[in-house]
Amino acid sequence: KQEVTQIPAALSVPEGENLVLNCSFTDSAIYNLQWFRQDPGKGLTSLLLIQSSQREQTSGRLNASLDKSSGRSTLYIAASQPGDSATYLCAVRLNYGGSQGNLIFGKGTKLSVKP
Amino acid sequence: DGGITQSPKYLFRKEGQNVTLSCEQNLNHDAMYWYRQDPGQGLRLIYYSQIVNDFQKGDIAEGYSVSREKKESFPLTVTSAQKNPTAFYLCASSNPPPSEYTGELFFGEGSRLTVL
Repeated sequence: KQEVTQIPAALSVPEGENLVLNCSFTDSAIYNLQWFRQDPGKGLTSLLLIQSSQREQTSGRLNASLDKSSGRSTLYIAASQPGDSATYLCAVRLNYGGSQGNLIFGKGTKLSVKP
Repeated sequence: DGGITQSPKYLFRKEGQNVTLSCEQNLNHDAMYWYRQDPGQGLRLIYYSQIVNDFQKGDIAEGYSVSREKKESFPLTVTSAQKNPTAFYLCASSNPPPSEYTGELFFGEGSRLTVL
């Protein structure tokens, strides 16, 4: 059964730091992996989508990598800002179905960037 | 603007009442999903639909019902049989693989249901 783990559950950094958020998954039979941001009381906003054939995607200060063989993805945030404070979630889309509709979410990393 | 609209944003319900949460998308997506989010538990799938007039139960379907009569709409009814309905509900949509679609998932802004 596919499991998605995000460590740490919470992270606090000073403004300006570069940081890495981690996402690991147990089954490499994935179609894609997606990173989201969630602000308190809001829906999830898609940040980056990496297809299984890709190694990384970039958008502005964000860079996401994917290593299927090791079951890992990282989200790199450069020059962090207080506005980056949010919960970051990763989700994998499986190549097969199941009761979770073939999408498995991690529980997220809550990021706090201090001014 | 293309997107997913959930309504109402906040809803209060008395015990024993059914309530319906609306989810409408204009992204022309085939697949739609309902998730429940509780503190510390992550997202849990309630129901999903891959195509009009078809839907499947997720991990926590008990006490919920859905319909998919139109491609754009996937309403969720929280029935009185749901023992602990107070939660944040999120609707999402995507075009599922195969390869001509990216399979990217998009979410609405959520509906917060409180049972009094």
